[in-house]
Amino acid sequence: DGGITQSPKYLFRKEGQNVTLSCEQNLNHDAMYWYRQDPGQGLRLIYYSQIVNDFQKGDIAEGYSVSREKKESFPLTVTSAQKNPTAFYLCASSTSGEGGMNGYTFGSGTRLTVV
Amino acid sequence: RKEVEQDPGPFNVPEGATVAFNCTYSNSASQSFFWYRQDCRKEPKLLMSVYSSGNEDGRFTAQLNRASQYISLLIRDSKLSDSATYLCAVKPSGGYNKLIFGAGTRLAVHP
Repeated sequence: DGGITQSPKYLFRKEGQNVTLSCEQNLNHDAMYWYRQDPGQGLRLIYYSQIVNDFQKGDIAEGYSVSREKKESFPLTVTSAQKNPTAFYLCASSTSGEGGMNGYTFGSGTRLTVV
Repeated sequence: RKEVEQDPGPFNVPEGATVAFNCTYSNSASQSFFWYRQDCRKEPKLLMSVYSSGNEDGRFTAQLNRASQYISLLIRDSKLSDSATYLCAVKPSGGYNKLIFGAGTRLAVHP
């Protein structure tokens, strides 16, 4: 079955450490996204990519980095510059194209905690 | 003003009740609209798209009011299993397929 897989499910980061969250999809979607969810604040866009080897900053990109070397993969690195990284991180994908869209498919998320 | 706003709730309703949520958006040129359901500590899942003419899927009805810039979700005959947070999502105008999400409305259905 096609889907989008995030790993790990839970991740603990020490102060000053970089960590990378994995996101892989086999839906043949061109576009991929990273969102962060904090309690009571909804989803906020970190980075998105419409096509391989191209990505754009979202609303809260500071302290994060991404790459899009393959269509299927869009890993997110949370760097030590991100001062408050504890959150639920969601990866999503969608078909891309002008006009309307069919919505996102989300991965099951990674819960990151700073220890 | 936030681009997409929802009443956070919670809405506490008995089984069998009808409940409605609204979601307002600020960009009048927004193109696509969606309702997602999110269970506690899980990822959001697409519940339904919202079409200009309104659309229905079983007990769920979604409507769009472009003049007043809001979308609505009506749930009839509420079930215990409907308890969740309902997120609205809006695609602003422009070429990027990125969605802006509301913070969600929590629904609790009780026996």
